[in-house]
Amino acid sequence: GAGVSQSPSNKVTEKGKDVELRCDPISGHTALYWYRQSLGQGLEFLIYFQGNSAPDKSGLPSDRFSAERTGGSVSTLTIQRTQQEDSAVYLCASSFPIGPYEQYFGPGTRLTVT
Amino acid sequence: KNQVEQSPQSLIILEGKNCTLQCNYTVSPFSNLRWYKQDTGRGPVSLTIMTFSENTKSNGRYTATLDADTKQSSLHITASQLSDSASYICVVSEAGNNRKLIWGLGTSLAVNP
Repeated sequence: GAGVSQSPSNKVTEKGKDVELRCDPISGHTALYWYRQSLGQGLEFLIYFQGNSAPDKSGLPSDRFSAERTGGSVSTLTIQRTQQEDSAVYLCASSFPIGPYEQYFGPGTRLTVT
Repeated sequence: KNQVEQSPQSLIILEGKNCTLQCNYTVSPFSNLRWYKQDTGRGPVSLTIMTFSENTKSNGRYTATLDADTKQSSLHITASQLSDSASYICVVSEAGNNRKLIWGLGTSLAVNP
């Protein structure tokens, strides 16, 4: 079946603009995760969804970042008033609802804030 | 200090050679340890997942070992191929929180012809 898909693959935006990043998980995967990967850095956990609820939002770096998930499927990560330090690759992953919760990743969205 | 440290940071080998990548972690108690392969411009792909009770796990030419006592893991790649060029990332999850993964910075492997 289809893997995790993300859109857009690349996004260039001006500082101060809002952006929306989309993730389509694998069908049947109830868990969904967002990560950020900056150049030369390891993956940074942002938020995790189980169904439509987000039990763990601890990784969101500021209140400019928010995410939602609808219908237990598609998720959108929104960054408001983007800053240059937001430039990174944003990765989405999904997993089955039972352990070991192996995460399947999408190709990522490369965000560049100019 | 990162809870998952990997070495070397980068490695260059010739096609057909073997190599071993190292991972040391301080996460405790831990639930499982994973190795991911990340090609440039792509998302990570899982290679192996080992629980604390497993010592070794293979996936084709990839063999991971785990010593939970010393908190060390290694990933051995046999008969390397050009397509093995990628970043290899060691990832640990805490006991009781399997969903939250702690990522190493990865070892960048280049396989040259």
